[in-house]
Amino acid sequence: GAGVSQSPSNKVTEKGKDVELRCDPISGHTALYWYRQSLGQGLEFLIYFQGNSAPDKSGLPSDRFSAERTGGSVSTLTIQRTQQEDSAVYLCASSPRRVAGEETQYFGPGTRLLVL
Amino acid sequence: KQEVTQIPAALSVPEGENLVLNCSFTDSAIYNLQWFRQDPGKGLTSLLLIQSSQREQTSGRLNASLDKSSGRSTLYIAASQPGDSATYLCAVPPSGGSNYKLTFGKGTLLTVNP
Repeated sequence: GAGVSQSPSNKVTEKGKDVELRCDPISGHTALYWYRQSLGQGLEFLIYFQGNSAPDKSGLPSDRFSAERTGGSVSTLTIQRTQQEDSAVYLCASSPRRVAGEETQYFGPGTRLLVL
Repeated sequence: KQEVTQIPAALSVPEGENLVLNCSFTDSAIYNLQWFRQDPGKGLTSLLLIQSSQREQTSGRLNASLDKSSGRSTLYIAASQPGDSATYLCAVPPSGGSNYKLTFGKGTLLTVNP
């Protein structure tokens, strides 16, 4: 079956421009996560969506970052006025449900963002 | 704040060797621990998830153990193959609620030489 897909796979942009990154979770998965993986850093949690509940945005590094999830499926991560330190791999994951102790997350291939 | 450390940062072994990767975490009140592998330019693939009530999980040539009291987990790979070459990451949720906010170690880069 289809896994988590992300687009674009690579994105090069100029400092100050806005970018949109897209994530298509596995069909039927109600939970969706965004992470960032910077060179030399571990993965950082950014944001979490679960069904129709308000998202947990506590990991977003600044107000230039925002995300939405339409219809409980596709999600878009938007970075406004990009800075060079935003260069990273942005990973999306989904899981079938939120059950304590059963949180296997299925990851997409990531979007590699380079801000010049 | 939960912190996860993985040792070694890199490991190179000949094909066929058995090996152990280590993961330690500072807050032992966790719901579970997951091991992932990441291939170059790819996303993460979940290998094993150990719930807090379990001490180990096995999948094929992989065996992961969890010792919550000491804040440690090991991933044992038997009879390693070149196809096992990848970065291996462990991840734990924070103690208490919000068990989806995984904290990752920086990974162990494994190279299995033919």
